[in-house]
Amino acid sequence: SQKIEQNSEALNIQEGKTATLTCNYTNYSPAYLQWYRQDPGRGPVFLLLIRENEKEKRKERLKVTFDTTLKQSLFHITASQPADSATYLCALDALGNEKLTFGTGTRLTIIP
Amino acid sequence: GAGVSQSPRYKVTKRGQDVALRCDPISGHVSLYWYRQALGQGPEFLTYFSYEAQQDKSGLPNDRFSAERPEGSISTLTIQRTEQRDSAMYRCASSLGSGGWDTQYFGPGTRLTVL
Repeated sequence: SQKIEQNSEALNIQEGKTATLTCNYTNYSPAYLQWYRQDPGRGPVFLLLIRENEKEKRKERLKVTFDTTLKQSLFHITASQPADSATYLCALDALGNEKLTFGTGTRLTIIP
Repeated sequence: GAGVSQSPRYKVTKRGQDVALRCDPISGHVSLYWYRQALGQGPEFLTYFSYEAQQDKSGLPNDRFSAERPEGSISTLTIQRTEQRDSAMYRCASSLGSGGWDTQYFGPGTRLTVL
């Protein structure tokens, strides 16, 4: 069956270090993979999108990699700050299918 | 401009009642999505519209759930004969286009509690 797994429900990282979140999927062939941030009591907010033919994408302190062989995406936040504390969700779709399927999310806490 | 809005923000109802949840997408957005999100989980797809056409309703749990978007803008998700298991956060999202590459903009959600 199709499955999206995000590493550990919760991740605690010291301020200033790099936080790395993992998204693994099985039985999907996504054309795109997206990362969203969700703060408590709010809806998810889009961060980055990476296409299946892209290996890496960057935006300011954020970096996403996409390995279709390993069926994995890594999401990095460099020089992490307490304001980066939130739940991060990966979401993917399959070619020709507009429906996004979300992972369960990883709750990231940056410790000052 | 205004983002996606949803109303009501909170809805408490008794088992067996019908409820209607409203979503007002960002003006001009072609696509509108409904999700259900349980605590500690990611959003779970329910249904999707492109303009007024319901393109995919594969995520609707059963025939008590229905949705419409008659004029291609505002959408209503209706749950008939509510049950306690329907209690959840219901989220709406819209996107400018209709591809998997399109950014989805989420509303604040409606918290539904069925007593």
